[in-house]
Amino acid sequence: SQKIEQNSEALNIQEGKTATLTCNYTNYSPAYLQWYRQDPGRGPVFLLLIRENEKEKRKERLKVTFDTTLKQSLFHITASQPADSATYLCALRTGRRALTFGSGTRLQVQP
Amino acid sequence: DAGITQSPRYKITETGRQVTLMCHQTWSHSYMFWYRQDLGHGLRLIYYSAAADITDKGEVPDGYVVSRSKTENFPLTLESATRSQTSVYFCASSESATGGGNTIYFGEGSWLTVV
Repeated sequence: SQKIEQNSEALNIQEGKTATLTCNYTNYSPAYLQWYRQDPGRGPVFLLLIRENEKEKRKERLKVTFDTTLKQSLFHITASQPADSATYLCALRTGRRALTFGSGTRLQVQP
Repeated sequence: DAGITQSPRYKITETGRQVTLMCHQTWSHSYMFWYRQDLGHGLRLIYYSAAADITDKGEVPDGYVVSRSKTENFPLTLESATRSQTSVYFCASSESATGGGNTIYFGEGSWLTVV
């Protein structure tokens, strides 16, 4: 079956360290992949989009990689801050004209 | 800049009752979506709409009805609510088809409890 998998266990890191979150997918060949941030009690907010012909994308302290051979995207937050604590969702188009989301990974940055 | 607004934000209803969740967007986006979010399942697509009077089923459409008579509104109706429909519902919109890589903008969510 088609799946988008994110680590369901929370990731706890110290402030200042780099957080790395993983998104794996099977049976898709997406043209692009997106990452969203969701705070408790709020709707998801778009962060970054990376296309299949891009290996890496950066935005300020955020970096996303996309390996279509491994069917994996990595999401990095460098110099992490407590304010980065949230759930991060990956999403990609899976055939319909809508995005399919992973279940998200909760990041907790300790001061 | 109102964006997307959902109402009600919180609702408790009884099994068997009809419930309508409202969604309004001010951007004139063509595409609108309804997702539900449950622990362990993440966001799942219920219905989406490409334009006024054009709707299509998503991953979990059973028990739900949508309509889109105006571009800016996309109400979601639970015809006869069941406990399994207790969830957080998110409305979203996109400027055009997500096949082009367009991002989705989400509302703040509607917390629905069916007792």
